[in-house]
Amino acid sequence: SYELTQPPSVSVSPGQTASITCSGDKLGDKYVCWYQQKSGQSPVLVIYQDTNRPSGIPERFSGSNSGNTATLTISGTQAIDEADYYCQAWVSTTGVFGTGTKVTVL
Amino acid sequence: QVQLQESGPGLVKPSETLSLTCAVSGYSISSGYYWGWIRQPPGKGLEWIGNIYHGGSTYYNPSLKSRVTISVDTSKNQFSLKLRSVTAADTAVYYCARPDVRGEVGYWGQGILVTVSS
Repeated sequence: SYELTQPPSVSVSPGQTASITCSGDKLGDKYVCWYQQKSGQSPVLVIYQDTNRPSGIPERFSGSNSGNTATLTISGTQAIDEADYYCQAWVSTTGVFGTGTKVTVL
Repeated sequence: QVQLQESGPGLVKPSETLSLTCAVSGYSISSGYYWGWIRQPPGKGLEWIGNIYHGGSTYYNPSLKSRVTISVDTSKNQFSLKLRSVTAADTAVYYCARPDVRGEVGYWGQGILVTVSS
């Protein structure tokens, strides 16, 4: 089965840039999206189709996808960005999630 | 605005069948899109359970395929999940969701915690 691997945790200082990677075999050939999930809440889509932001998502969230790695970048990270982040790809008509990354804003 | 709402028992006994329903408002299921179920064990990551297309075609996570059935009731504008022979490992928050064309989920239910325990 297809697997997506993320680092368990990323720490970032306020105002700095956080980068979260998502690795999978030939991931660049698939569309990747990213979700933010805060404690006790449903996930929220922050990036879709590799690079697109849904309406209402701040511009500091951006995405890329090439080769075997997709990356979510949070520029000028704020305290409110502290959350768990999951990548997801669509594989053979069903979804596959990454292992998840906890972003801590120190 | 599309809204999804899960309902069902919050406690299921081991070896029994977990049954959940997702009521959809703001969009007619029969008009299109996939409709899916996703779960998250306490303190763990997200796991995709499966999808049903509006026409009735189903697609399941291979690791759960032998125990899962997803069905749709267009007359009630809802879809359902049945997971058979549950164990404590099936304890999770279960979300219903609407994946878009490329698989991203823009619409989620609020989630329902189902505990498997005697």
